[in-house]
Amino acid sequence: GENVEQHPSTLSVQEGDSAVIKCTYSDSASNYFPWYKQELGKRPQLIIDIRSNVGEKKDQRIAVTLNKTAKHFSLHITETQPEDSAVYFCAASKGNAGNMLTFGGGTRLMVKP
Amino acid sequence: IAGITQAPTSQILAAGRRMTLRCTQDMRHNAMYWYRQDLGLGLRLIHYSNTAGTTGKGEVPDGYSVSRANTDDFPLTLASAVPSQTSVYFCASSVSSAGGTEAFFGQGTRLTVV
Repeated sequence: GENVEQHPSTLSVQEGDSAVIKCTYSDSASNYFPWYKQELGKRPQLIIDIRSNVGEKKDQRIAVTLNKTAKHFSLHITETQPEDSAVYFCAASKGNAGNMLTFGGGTRLMVKP
Repeated sequence: IAGITQAPTSQILAAGRRMTLRCTQDMRHNAMYWYRQDLGLGLRLIHYSNTAGTTGKGEVPDGYSVSRANTDDFPLTLASAVPSQTSVYFCASSVSSAGGTEAFFGQGTRLTVV
């Protein structure tokens, strides 16, 4: 089955700096790669996603890049703010048979004011 | 109901007892899932259902069962709870699509087995 690895497990940045979280996946058939943000005690919520026919997607301060050849994808957050502090999860799915997601282990991002 | 709702929010359960976690969605999503979240391990899929009447096993199905009698409800049952099932359980739903779609999560159930 699919295996998703995520690095780093914790990341501390100064407010205004950029943050980058990286994930690798094992199944070349995966074609959908979402990123979820989970604040303390809350449910995971989608912040951005990318499909295999696209190499990069941007939404304001966040962007995701995908390298299908290398089987890795990354989340980039620019101009970080204290409210960006949370746990971020990457995931991968084949987009069929119910869109089952395999998640990475998560990255705890801390933005210091 | 708006979105996806789980019940109970939290529960302390004696080992060996049977417990059903409830999940209901009103978005008419055909696919539903149960994940467990343990510290440092992210979210792991327990069981899933692509459509009403069908279910399948995920990564960690042992000790759990599910049913999908209709589109809206997807209960998760622990037949005989054990301490290793202490976790936060999230139900999720999505539109089943070949291109992949957003999964919406419930608020979670914090279960402690003692």
